[in-house]
Amino acid sequence: GAVVSQHPSRVICKSGTSVKIECRSLDFQATTMFWYRQFPKQSLMLMATSNEGSKATYEQGVEKDKFLINHASLTLSTLTVTSAHPEDSSFYICSAKRTGQETQYFGPGTRLLVL
Amino acid sequence: EDQVTQSPEALRLQEGESSSLNCSYTVSGLRGLFWYRQDPGKGPEFLFTLYSAGEEKEKERLKATLTKKESFLHITAPKPEDSATYLCAVKETSGSRLTFGEGTQLTVNP
Repeated sequence: GAVVSQHPSRVICKSGTSVKIECRSLDFQATTMFWYRQFPKQSLMLMATSNEGSKATYEQGVEKDKFLINHASLTLSTLTVTSAHPEDSSFYICSAKRTGQETQYFGPGTRLLVL
Repeated sequence: EDQVTQSPEALRLQEGESSSLNCSYTVSGLRGLFWYRQDPGKGPEFLFTLYSAGEEKEKERLKATLTKKESFLHITAPKPEDSATYLCAVKETSGSRLTFGEGTQLTVNP
């Protein structure tokens, strides 16, 4: 199989604080990981693509200084939401792709609530 | 620009009532078409990858087919546990990103 985990599954924080979300590929190496955001009743919106050892590529309209992405190893990528505000509240989902393959495997998601 | 349209938006079936979900796509060149299942509050669960027209894949009560313009997800004799949102996504030959459709919300009543 291809298992991707995320931690935490749910987080509540105060406005102005930063939150880090981890995404791990548990049984395969992933040179490329992706971060998505999903609003209620909507499909997934790609935020950024991260490649191990290099800077992430952000989609148009996504603030790279607000959503910091680090992909320091072949099994771990992190998304840090800096100075979070209520409008950042959402469901954040990561995915990972095996080297040389096309299929993305998704994590279980992280529900962020900013008060 | 890649486009993916799924229909219907929502589908209600009785247990055992077979049906099909549609995914129409427009890409300059298809590298792969993907089907996922998503339960409320969870990440998408991978179902199938299709690469070329004429390809078919099956898993339990699900069968996915692909033509040059669309893909179908056939559900045979569905059960209530098949209730979920089914997402279709495409990847074109020149990129790494997935373009998702809006999904079909399937409800199977006992």
